[in-house]
Amino acid sequence: DTGVSQDPRHKITKRGQNVTFRCDPISEHNRLYWYRQTLGQGPEFLTYFQNEAQLEKSRLLSDRFSAERPKGSFSTLEIQRTEQGDSAMYLCASTKGGVWYGYTFGSGTRLTVV
Amino acid sequence: KNEVEQSPQNLTAQEGEFITINCSYSVGISALHWLQQHPGGGIVSLFMLSSGKKKHGRLIATINIQEKHSSLHITASHPRDSAVYICAVLMDSNYQLIWGAGTKLIIKP
Repeated sequence: DTGVSQDPRHKITKRGQNVTFRCDPISEHNRLYWYRQTLGQGPEFLTYFQNEAQLEKSRLLSDRFSAERPKGSFSTLEIQRTEQGDSAMYLCASTKGGVWYGYTFGSGTRLTVV
Repeated sequence: KNEVEQSPQNLTAQEGEFITINCSYSVGISALHWLQQHPGGGIVSLFMLSSGKKKHGRLIATINIQEKHSSLHITASHPRDSAVYICAVLMDSNYQLIWGAGTKLIIKP
């Protein structure tokens, strides 16, 4: 297992289009997190899953955003009707869960909405 | 007031200098993470600690739970240490990470 993989690395889309990102966590990690990071800021929490259950969603996550983790393995984050303000780095992280396990981060997907 | 505050926001130093980055938090936590983010965006976990001190190579992280404060030190700094260093705390009410804004460190040769 080589770590957390995110696809694509970069995405340029026109305003109003839908985009979908994928995250493949480390296989034995049951918790998966999505974060969004804009330039010069720390990552902002979006949502997280324990196995296939989505346990928490940030208020930042508008109705245009949806995330799934259908079989408790990979996860997708979809943004519908993209806006320029959605331009950011979208980071995925996974962990075994609990307090004592570290997080492993993917390299992120950089979204640019033009 | 942010729940996690880092200082300084930006730090430029000469190669070889001893570097200290500070993190203060205001919430109850289970653990604190120090992470490193390079310009390409990738994030690497450096330390996770809940008490005392940890050392890895030239990096040292300390935490004082009573004072709600942690520091990251880099000894004999090198240009390859140039990155953004982020402090993130793991809330003890759930498993959510609350992030500091990061410290941008530049080490000049």
